[in-house]
Amino acid sequence: GAVVSQHPSWVICKSGTSVKIECRSLDFQATTMFWYRQFPKQSLMLMATSNEGSKATYEQGVEKDKFLINHASLTLSTLTVTSAHPEDSSFYICSARATGLNNEQFFGPGTRLTVL
Amino acid sequence: SQKIEQNSEALNIQEGKTATLTCNYTNYSPAYLQWYRQDPGRGPVFLLLIRENEKEKRKERLKVTFDTTLKQSLFHITASQPADSATYLCALSTGGFKTIFGAGTRLFVKA
Repeated sequence: GAVVSQHPSWVICKSGTSVKIECRSLDFQATTMFWYRQFPKQSLMLMATSNEGSKATYEQGVEKDKFLINHASLTLSTLTVTSAHPEDSSFYICSARATGLNNEQFFGPGTRLTVL
Repeated sequence: SQKIEQNSEALNIQEGKTATLTCNYTNYSPAYLQWYRQDPGRGPVFLLLIRENEKEKRKERLKVTFDTTLKQSLFHITASQPADSATYLCALSTGGFKTIFGAGTRLFVKA
């Protein structure tokens, strides 16, 4: 199956700093990538949908200036958490939708962000 | 409001038995429904997809049913094994690009 990678797998940062998370589709081109956040024992909450070469579409309640998403190529999307605070600590997961594969999404392994 | 509910937060069964997980939804007209497995600290792994015009789908020990009248999907794991212990997520897609996930059911299979 298609493989999606995320980097880093975990990160610890100080409050007020910015953190960038990368999501790559390794063996297919992804016109659409999705960013989710998951708190312990809760479901995945969609944060935003990013399409290659255009601005991301954010879900209601997600601050676009805080969670910057860039989808510069068909294999890479980045999520930058700006001025991170402890409440931003969470598990961030990306997924990629491959063109022509019936909307099946392939998920990355996730990134654990801890803000001190 | 739109809602997806998965039957119980946790399900405990004995090895060899069939595990049945439920996914109910309201105020959706999904084009298709998916089931994923998620292990702790990992991203979800796709298991099965079933379309609105399909009643049942099988893959090895897994079976999914989809009843659009009842607005319900059942996910079965036959001959369950301890290695099947994980959280199983139900997800709905309305035909666009967006997929909405349920909270998941944690399955524990005892040896």
